[in-house]
Amino acid sequence: DSGVTQTPKHLITATGQRVTLRCSPRSGDLSVYWYQQSLDQGLQFLIQYYNGEERAKGNILERFSAQQFPDLHSELNLSSLELGDSALYFCASSLGLAGVYSYNEQFFGPGTRLTVL
Amino acid sequence: DAKTTQPPSMDCAEGRAANLPCNHSTISGNEYVYWYRQIHSQGPQYIIHGLKNNETNEMASLIITEDRKSSTLILPHATLRDTAVYYCIVSFPFSGYSTLTFGKGTMLLVSP
Repeated sequence: DSGVTQTPKHLITATGQRVTLRCSPRSGDLSVYWYQQSLDQGLQFLIQYYNGEERAKGNILERFSAQQFPDLHSELNLSSLELGDSALYFCASSLGLAGVYSYNEQFFGPGTRLTVL
Repeated sequence: DAKTTQPPSMDCAEGRAANLPCNHSTISGNEYVYWYRQIHSQGPQYIIHGLKNNETNEMASLIITEDRKSSTLILPHATLRDTAVYYCIVSFPFSGYSTLTFGKGTMLLVSP
């Protein structure tokens, strides 16, 4: 158990719909990362938040957005869903103190499996 | 971040050492080598990292060549539960300013 929790575990929805995935980082971790893993694309970094602020962006579509709340939990919002958005979505967290030497040890949650029909 | 090259798959007998190679010939002086693994459909798991010295922890050992252009992850006594995809990643260490780029990794199959 990494200490990172994600809900829901499974999500089935239809094209055009909007869903929200939730992530609670490990206690004390300030950075949250979102990744998408599909069969053809592998594990792809989407976005990172540090202490409530967006820190880095990867291959995140404009239809997707995320935020990190004051209690440090994060939500990934996926809208206008397409069949190709079906994937495993992982959240990870790390200590990530700015200015402190940090070793990129990210702790991953169990993931949310999204199926778009 | 520097690119890495790993064999797509490897086999190992249970109880034997598994040696997983990684080439990272374009690594820069401040980039670290990280290893993660992903057991089928689970979240990736951090294994070990290093800069230029060999490192060992309870899970594995990491051997980095002197020129830092390649490294080897060693699982000293592989078990069936070590069957997973192993990712070698090079990245700057400040997690506040850099991200991990996962390649295709090496699928390690440990057999009885």
